[in-house]
Amino acid sequence: SQTIHQWPATLVQPVGSPLSLECTVEGTSNPNLYWYRQAAGRGLQLLFYSVGIGQISSEVPQNLSASRPQDRQFILSSKKLLLSDSGFYLCASAGARLAGTSSYNEQFFGPGTRLTVL
Amino acid sequence: GQNIDQPTEMTATEGAIVQINCTYQTSGFNGLFWYQQHAGEAPTFLSYNVLDGLEEKGRFSSFLSRSKGYSYLLLKELQMKDSASYLCAVSPLNDYKLSFGAGTTVTVRA
Repeated sequence: SQTIHQWPATLVQPVGSPLSLECTVEGTSNPNLYWYRQAAGRGLQLLFYSVGIGQISSEVPQNLSASRPQDRQFILSSKKLLLSDSGFYLCASAGARLAGTSSYNEQFFGPGTRLTVL
Repeated sequence: GQNIDQPTEMTATEGAIVQINCTYQTSGFNGLFWYQQHAGEAPTFLSYNVLDGLEEKGRFSSFLSRSKGYSYLLLKELQMKDSASYLCAVSPLNDYKLSFGAGTTVTVRA
């Protein structure tokens, strides 16, 4: 089964500072990778997803960017953080599962990074 | 686009049954997921339905009606540890992404 590592676990940053969150995946190869943000008491908002090295799709316009320098490494970055960037950031990896004669992609989540921008 | 609706909050008593409904409107459909998320933690997978009917896993069951765009998660014999947010998510056809509902916070009281 997959294991997803994220660091740091918590982060407090001033407005205007840069950001780099890292996610690495073990136990699978060529996974689809995802970055989500969850504001307090809210659902998951998909920020970026990647189907392969160097392939990034952005879901919402914002001051964040993502990169995938290696097959099992996914990085979320910002040059200048805003107050509205505060939230719980989750990395996810999709792995194929069998259900009878069909298959589906189950998303496994990392432990998350809680970011507070002050 | 995707539109997924579920109630914001539900409260139930320990040992009781709670049913969390989820309705969805999607462009194509390749399955519906339920995830459990305890406060401050990552979501964990509970169930997947792609065909109509009921899937049972111990105290948890999930039902799907594709024609109605409707699913429910049934939690039986509630325990205090079941207090969490339950997220409904839909997989569109030929898409790598999941669309999540806002989640239903279930509070189990003694």
